[in-house]
Amino acid sequence: SQQGEEDPQALSIQEGENATMNCSYKTSINNLQWYRQNSGRGLVHLILIRSNEREKHSGRLRVTLDTSKKSSSLLITASRAADTASYFCATEHTGGFKTIFGAGTRLFVKA
Amino acid sequence: GAVVSQHPSRVICKSGTSVKIECRSLDFQATTMFWYRQFPKKSLMLMATSNEGSKATYEQGVEKDKFLINHASLTLSTLTVTSAHPEDSSFYICSASGRGGTEAFFGQGTRLTVV
Repeated sequence: SQQGEEDPQALSIQEGENATMNCSYKTSINNLQWYRQNSGRGLVHLILIRSNEREKHSGRLRVTLDTSKKSSSLLITASRAADTASYFCATEHTGGFKTIFGAGTRLFVKA
Repeated sequence: GAVVSQHPSRVICKSGTSVKIECRSLDFQATTMFWYRQFPKKSLMLMATSNEGSKATYEQGVEKDKFLINHASLTLSTLTVTSAHPEDSSFYICSASGRGGTEAFFGQGTRLTVV
C-alpha cells in the first residue's frame, strides 16, 4: 500500500483535553508533515519536521519523530471545538520527493 | 510559504466529457508537481508525479490515458480527466515543489462531480 498508517482512525474528546494522533511509515524519509483538512476542503499545512529533528512545537501543536521506529505523533493541547477536522501525516520520501499521506485521523472535539 | 493556485475549485460535467484542472505555482518555479485524488472520508492517494518538460510518472493502478497530465512550464501543470464517468467524481489536489526544495505546497483542491 502506498499509504502510511495512522491511529486512531477517529478520536472524540471534550474541549480542553489533549488529542494525540500517531503516524507510522515504511521507508526512509526526508521529512514528515502534518496537515489538517476540514470536511470537503483543502489542506492546511500545520508543521514540518525534518528527518534529523526529534521534536518540534508550534503554538498548541507538538510533533515528535522517531526515525528508528518510523513513527511520529501529533499532540494538540487544550483542544477547542474549532480543532474538529481530519488530520493527516505526510511523508516525503528520499530519492524522489514523493509525498505519501497516511490514512488520517478524524478528530471531533465536543464543546 | 509559497502559493499554489488550483482552478477550478468545483466543476460539474456530464458523463463522457473531458475536464481540465489547472495547478499553478504563483511565486516560485515548480520543477515537480504532484496530483492526488481523495475519495470521501479517505486519505489522499498519489496519482502521478510530473517534472517540468518530461512525461509524468503514474502510480500503480492509475490509468495514464484516463488522467492526462501535462507539465509544460515551470508554473503550470494540468490534469485532464478524459471521458469522465461518475466514478471519477472525487476531490483532486495538486502540490508543487521547487528546484532543490524538500517541501511541497498544496493547491486548494478541485471537487469534480460527473453526472
